[in-house]
Amino acid sequence: QLQLQESGPGLAKPSETLSLTCSVSGGSFSTSTYHWGWIRQPPGKGLEWIGSIYYSGSTSYNPSLKSRVTISLDTSKNQFSLRLSSVTAADTAMYYCARGQATPGLFDRWGQGTLVTVSS
Amino acid sequence: DIVMTQSPDSLAVSLGERATINCKSSQSVLYSSNNKNYLSWYQQKTGQPPKLLINWASTRESGVPDRFSGSGSGTDFTLTISSLQAEDVAVYYCQQYYSTPPTFGQGTKLEIK
Repeated sequence: QLQLQESGPGLAKPSETLSLTCSVSGGSFSTSTYHWGWIRQPPGKGLEWIGSIYYSGSTSYNPSLKSRVTISLDTSKNQFSLRLSSVTAADTAMYYCARGQATPGLFDRWGQGTLVTVSS
Repeated sequence: DIVMTQSPDSLAVSLGERATINCKSSQSVLYSSNNKNYLSWYQQKTGQPPKLLINWASTRESGVPDRFSGSGSGTDFTLTISSLQAEDVAVYYCQQYYSTPPTFGQGTKLEIK
């Protein structure tokens, strides 16, 4: 059974860089069948796609965040990571990692999420 | 970006009754070359991540009860729960994956009347 688990600091200071890792277990990670994404949800609000990474290492980012986002892949550890720079209070959210199907943007398995608060 | 608009924002339905949630996209999500609608529905229960219920507008994921059904094409879509159960209380989101960035509706909160 595929499992995804987010990890990283729950608190970030304004202007700093938020770094999260998603560990994938119980399923195929190094395959072109899937892609891997990050989605966030501010408290009490809706869902926003941050970006995705493909087996090849190619990435796709939300234009609204593109200048601040980097997603990377470590196939040796079955992990992928998110870095979001220059954070503000508006970046406070639950951050989810998810597995995407062959079709970009269609996410069929999600991690439980990790809450990141941006505050000084 | 394609804007997804759901209606209503909240809905209260009696147990055993039908629940209907609508989703409208700002442009068509029907890909003409394969005649598929790039539209999915997610269910999010309190304190949980979203769960994929339906993709391609009308294809239920494995294990999703058949009381959940999706319909529509182009820009107008509907999620129907034919006989509401207590465990269906959740927020429901539609999402388009026709173009980047994939975008979600604002969510519809479904409660028991």
